[in-house]
Amino acid sequence: AQSVTQLDSQVPVFEEAPVELRCNYSSSVSVYLFWYVQYPNQGLQLLLKYLSGSTLVKGINGFEAEFNKSQTSFHLRKPSVHISDTAEYFCAVEGSARQLTFGSGTQLTVLP
Amino acid sequence: DVKVTQSSRYLVKRTGEKVFLECVQDMDHENMFWYRQDPGLGLRLIYFSYDVKMKEKGDIPEGYSVSREKKERFSLILESASTNQTSMYLCASSPPRGTDTQYFGPGTRLTVL
Repeated sequence: AQSVTQLDSQVPVFEEAPVELRCNYSSSVSVYLFWYVQYPNQGLQLLLKYLSGSTLVKGINGFEAEFNKSQTSFHLRKPSVHISDTAEYFCAVEGSARQLTFGSGTQLTVLP
Repeated sequence: DVKVTQSSRYLVKRTGEKVFLECVQDMDHENMFWYRQDPGLGLRLIYFSYDVKMKEKGDIPEGYSVSREKKERFSLILESASTNQTSMYLCASSPPRGTDTQYFGPGTRLTVL
């Protein structure tokens, strides 16, 4: 079984500032890791994924994440945020079965 | 582009009614999933299916059932809706593990009065 912890439920940040959304996971098997974004009244959209290879993963909209196996983390970062990045962000892990386990989400609010 | 569609964006039902939520995907994916999303709880898996006529319970199957008669269609059934089933319901589909991620539909916001 696996679990995902998103350490911050709300992250307010000013426009053009950097941001990091934290995600830690636990799993007894090799994992695949994902970050999704959900804009208001919409479904989930994939931001980026780690399946194998380089531990630094680049996604859409200027986001990136780093897989750290020793710390069991997969933190999401963006060097300069925009108002349009305001949304809820979910970290997820896919374990030995095919279903995803999600964290509880982080609401990112970008302030002008 | 992968497309996952859900039959309704908003639905209002009364306690005790039988409710059907339909999901269709157009990418010939083997796997399909139903989640519910509640504030502060993230997404929780209700049921999933690896193939036609196959189903597996997720983390919170109580009060729900599913049907998968065709590969592209996965239905979630609330046999007797209750107010604690008021939620956002999200359907997803995916190819085999390790090849790609799950793709999500827009969601159905169900209110049970």
